[in-house]
Amino acid sequence: DTAVSQTPKYLVTQMGNDKSIKCEQNLGHDTMYWYKQDSKKFLKIMFSYNNKELIINETVPNRFSPKSPDKAHLNLHINSLELGDSAVYFCASSQSSRGYNSPLHFGNGTRLTVT
Amino acid sequence: QQQVKQSPQSLIVQKGGISIINCAYENTAFDYFPWYQQFPGKGPALLIAIRPDVSEKKEGRFTISFNKSAKQFSLHIMDSQPGDSATYFCAASIDSGAGSYQLTFGKGTKLSVIP
Repeated sequence: DTAVSQTPKYLVTQMGNDKSIKCEQNLGHDTMYWYKQDSKKFLKIMFSYNNKELIINETVPNRFSPKSPDKAHLNLHINSLELGDSAVYFCASSQSSRGYNSPLHFGNGTRLTVT
Repeated sequence: QQQVKQSPQSLIVQKGGISIINCAYENTAFDYFPWYQQFPGKGPALLIAIRPDVSEKKEGRFTISFNKSAKQFSLHIMDSQPGDSATYFCAASIDSGAGSYQLTFGKGTKLSVIP
């Protein structure tokens, strides 16, 4: 049983296209996140949702729009893709709590390549 | 501005040796310090974590040492094994409110354990 699952695992697309990445967690957590890992492996938070409400919205282009239809799902839609968007995107979840009571569980990532 | 500095960037250790990775932070509001382990093609997974009111935490071969006054913490891997070869990330957490917390990651250390 995969706790945090993302689809697709790989996504290759051309500049200017619009694409979505889906994430689902079956841990019963109520907080979900999107992280971006660049080519140098640096992990940076993009968004955080708690009970379908946007909590963290780091400085990311507004071409990125998260959508949370329910507590178990957090999708990421990207408009007008650019070369610089190429990265690995990780979905994660935690139970709403202080960090030391609820570690982050990550999915296995979606490798996005924009050509 | 990087709030969590991690070193070294890469580390090669012989099997049976001790691997040591260091991190330093700036924000005294951080209240939780986890270490994540990431294998190629996988998402980061929690390895071990510590709260700032504790100076050391040990779990099996993995130990975190925490120095609050120096704002530094480190991961020690005793009896390093080839299976420990992975990228290790230190992180620091701050409460973002509304049941969400924000993890700031270090830039990662690629550990290679050679037989």
